[in-house]
Amino acid sequence: GESVGLHLPTLSVQEGDNSIINCAYSNSASDYFIWYKQESGKGPQFIIDIRSNMDKRQGQRVTVLLNKTVKHLSLQIAATQPGDSAVYFCAENSFGSGTYKYIFGTGTRLKVLA
Amino acid sequence: KAGVTQTPRYLIKTRGQQVTLSCSPISGHRSVSWYQQTPGQGLQFLFEYFSETQRNKGNFPGRFSGRQFSNSRSEMNVSTLELGDSALYLCASSPLAGVGYEQYFGPGTRLTVT
Repeated sequence: GESVGLHLPTLSVQEGDNSIINCAYSNSASDYFIWYKQESGKGPQFIIDIRSNMDKRQGQRVTVLLNKTVKHLSLQIAATQPGDSAVYFCAENSFGSGTYKYIFGTGTRLKVLA
Repeated sequence: KAGVTQTPRYLIKTRGQQVTLSCSPISGHRSVSWYQQTPGQGLQFLFEYFSETQRNKGNFPGRFSGRQFSNSRSEMNVSTLELGDSALYLCASSPLAGVGYEQYFGPGTRLTVT
């Protein structure tokens, strides 16, 4: 399949352990944040989102934490499974200067060890 | 509901040629965005169309253009191809344009320029 990123930071986690993937965003005025998962040969897939008026949001096995003070976003995956192996991207969505845009992070490769 | 579809999935072109990529959004979605993904630069925003109008544009040269039809389907064109245009081109659709709308990605078109 396609190589999403040859030199991405890699997080290796034992199956069953929890994973934490971090992301620093750039715009303090960003209003909306999304985590995507991209498997080899596929387009990014939505995992979870959070708006700037929230600090935490939980989904099924996933939790996103937002720290606006330091412009930091994290994705926590509970009980990591082999199917979680993929590249994970954060994206920030902001409105400014009469337009809006999505900015994507460079991504982190998650490897789940059996 | 069917997901976002992109055609073709793979394409090989020669430097100097032009190429047209197609994207069919999820039924009912009116916003279509295009992204370029490369190992070195990650995901970069090209442009967004909503109701047949370009609403947003990234920092790409004028060789990259697009359009949207009344049925929300979109095409992207790259003229005078360069080797550096080799990339995965992703299309994403969302119900509306603006901040806070989740984007659903297609599988991408892998363009190789030789």
